[in-house]
Amino acid sequence: EAGVTQFPSHSVIEKGQTVTLRCDPISGHDNLYWYRRVMGKEIKFLLHFVKESKQDESGMPNNRFLAERTGGTYSTLKVQPAELEDSGVYFCASSRDRGIYGYTFGSGTRLTVV
Amino acid sequence: GQNIDQPTEMTATEGAIVQINCTYQTSGFNGLFWYQQHAGEAPTFLSYNVLDGLEEKGRFSSFLSRSKGYSYLLLKELQMKDSASYLCAVRDRSNDYKLSFGAGTTVTVRA
Repeated sequence: EAGVTQFPSHSVIEKGQTVTLRCDPISGHDNLYWYRRVMGKEIKFLLHFVKESKQDESGMPNNRFLAERTGGTYSTLKVQPAELEDSGVYFCASSRDRGIYGYTFGSGTRLTVV
Repeated sequence: GQNIDQPTEMTATEGAIVQINCTYQTSGFNGLFWYQQHAGEAPTFLSYNVLDGLEEKGRFSSFLSRSKGYSYLLLKELQMKDSASYLCAVRDRSNDYKLSFGAGTTVTVRA
């Protein structure tokens, strides 16, 4: 099966601009997760979708971040307006069940805000 | 939340054995995962422990002691391709879909 696909792989934007990251989960995986790793720190949970519904968005840093999953397939994560501290690697992961045995991760989008 | 600690870096020689330790604190432990991540790539699943003991999978083994809040990942017969970051992640019973990660251990294998 195809893996979790993320686009773009890299993005460099100026402070104040908008960026939209996309994640295509493995087909048939109802659960989709966003995680983020900022420089030198651990990977941290952002939010969890079950199909098109947000189950938990407790990890979202602030209201500049908006995640959507229309139709329960791919998901987007928009950052508007971007700030310097938003730089990092954004990972998407998916699972068929509630991730009992872990997830399949994408390769991530490296976001650099300058 | 969980406090997850693992060493930052380890270096070993090709063919040798390396043990990566991970300690954690959680109120409702519900599983520990090890992931391998090569630079610029996706973290890939290595092992899952929820009961005490050793899980062996080829050259890689993972051990768990829940009473001590301790796990290790053992890499045997090291190969150059094993140079990567190894991530310890813990799940809590209150949130069985969310993983809390350690900062990762970068393993460098030298010839």
